[in-house]
Amino acid sequence: QITLKESGTTLVKPTQTLTLTCTVSGFSLSTSGVGVGWIRQPPGKALEWLALIYWDDDKRYSPSLKNRLTVTKDTFKNQVVLTMTNMDPVDTATYYCAHRDWNDVFDYWGQGTLVTVSS
Amino acid sequence: DIQMTQSPSTLSASVGDSVTVTCRASQSISMWLAWYQQKPGKAPKLLIYKASTLERGVPSRFSGSGSGTEFTLTISSLQPDDFASYYCQHYNSYSWTFGQGTKVEIK
Repeated sequence: QITLKESGTTLVKPTQTLTLTCTVSGFSLSTSGVGVGWIRQPPGKALEWLALIYWDDDKRYSPSLKNRLTVTKDTFKNQVVLTMTNMDPVDTATYYCAHRDWNDVFDYWGQGTLVTVSS
Repeated sequence: DIQMTQSPSTLSASVGDSVTVTCRASQSISMWLAWYQQKPGKAPKLLIYKASTLERGVPSRFSGSGSGTEFTLTISSLQPDDFASYYCQHYNSYSWTFGQGTKVEIK
């Protein structure tokens, strides 16, 4: 059974760096074809894709945020880490990680973690 | 960048109704389109991928169609559990772009 769970800082001050961890189970981050993505959703607003990392360490970033994002993985710990620099109140959102399947869509999602940016 | 536009933003319907949500891409995306359902406080759930392929376990009252730039999600005979928000998503292994969402509410 595939599961994902987000953890990390829930309250961040403006200009600080956010670090979130996605701990996965039920699949290996080194299995060919596997990808884990990050998606966020501001309160009451739409979903926004942020980044994705593939099993071979290839990475994809949202063009509008790529200068602020870094995604890495630790296969042995079954973890994917997202960092976002220079946080602003508009970055307040629920952040999700999700499993990318062979059809290139997100078939399993974490429960999400609410990140608030406030001084 | 490809933009995805959904309509309507909100849709009021009754149990038993058939409803249709439209998603338009700013340029042709072939059939690389998925639909997700999201309930308040919950993570999205994958319903349909490749425009019309139903994800395992999704009821057959959900169907998708379209190709190129125009796509539709149809829910035939709306059930109480279907009142939720729905998002389309374009994907191509390089980027994943969501529409702004459609809320299906009880009339």
